[in-house]
Parts: sequence; structure tokens; C-alpha cells
Amino acid sequence: DTAVSQTPKYLVTQMGNDKSIKCEQNLGHDTMYWYKQDSKKFLKIMFSYNNKELIINETVPNRFSPKSPDKAHLNLHINSLELGDSAVYFCASSQIGEQGQYFGPGTRLTVT
Amino acid sequence: AQRVTQPEKLLSVFKGAPVELKCNYSYSGSPELFWYVQYSRQRLQLLLRHISRESIKGFTADLNKGETSFHLKKPFAQEEDSAMYYCALRAAYSGAGSYQLTFGKGTKLSVIP
Repeated sequence: DTAVSQTPKYLVTQMGNDKSIKCEQNLGHDTMYWYKQDSKKFLKIMFSYNNKELIINETVPNRFSPKSPDKAHLNLHINSLELGDSAVYFCASSQIGEQGQYFGPGTRLTVT
Repeated sequence: AQRVTQPEKLLSVFKGAPVELKCNYSYSGSPELFWYVQYSRQRLQLLLRHISRESIKGFTADLNKGETSFHLKKPFAQEEDSAMYYCALRAAYSGAGSYQLTFGKGTKLSVIP
């Protein structure tokens, strides 16, 4: 019973392509997030989203856009991929009033 | 602005030795602090939250507001403790922005057998 799942687990693509990473949570949480973990293992928030508000980290390029078809899903769409986008992307979710966030297994994106 | 500092990028200890992973934070309000652990090629997992004052896998962490610290401690390190440890802060105020966690850069703990 996976709480937060992501697909694909690995994604290898060429510069300039457009790709999406999917995230689903079955915890009934109302808020979902995307994080980027770079090669130095530094973890940085990209977006947080609930049904009321999208908060975007100001350092995230507008080539990245989150899309939420429903409360249980928050997909990450990336346009015109660049070499520097290579990283592990983690999805997470949380519930208002509860402590902590639950993370997905990560998607390792490699841009060649 | 909030900031989390983990001064040690890598910490190596022998099995059975005490462990202390340092975390300092900067935030003008009242924060909520967490420790997350990431084992090799696995997802991040919540280890501790300061509000719960719990001990998980032998680890404890006390929030020291005077020193703005939330150091993670374990009296006797085990090999299975080898992992990346992240300290994280969440601003304790209402509003959608409060959901976001600010992570430190992480400390890699290596327990030598």
C-alpha cells in the first residue's frame, strides 16, 4: 500500500524535450509538493499546492509547471529540458494540522 | 526569511560511538522542526518532530530556542544508521505558505563497523 507514488522512477531524455512526472497520494492529504534534489543531495522546495493555492518557489524557472487533475495527484511538467534539470525529483504530501510530510520514492531525471 | 544550517556535510563515527548531527535554524517566529532520513537510494522518511518529543530508532532531538538549534543525537551508533540526515523547518503560522519545509543541506552519516 504505497502512500505516495511517482512515475516513472527513471527518466532519461534529451535537451529540449518536454516531459512529465506523475505523483499520486492515497493518504487523503490536502497539500502536495515537489522538491528537487541535486547532485550534491541538496533538497529544495519547488512548489506546494492545495486546492486553494499554488505557491511557487521564486527560483523555479517557468519551464516547470505543476498540474493537479484532482486532489490526489500533482504532476510536474517540464518544458524545454536543460542539462541542469538533471536531478532527483521528489513528490510529497501532507495534511493541514498534521506534522511532517510523506515523500514519494523519487524520479531520477537525466538530461543528455 | 528562514534558514536551516547543517554545518557538517559528512560525519563518520565508529559503531557504538555517540552521534550528534548538528542543526541550527534562523527564523523570527516560532518554528516547527523536523529531522528526515534518507537511506541509500530511498525516499525521505520523517524521523523526528520536535513537537512530539519522541525517540525513534534511538535518536532524540531537543529544540533549544536560546541557541536556535535542533541537534540530533544517538548514544550508540549502528551500521544501519548510515544515511543522509536532513533537518527541516516549517514556519508555524497559518496560511498556505506555512506548509513548505525549508531543508538544510543534509549531513551524510557514515557508521564504521
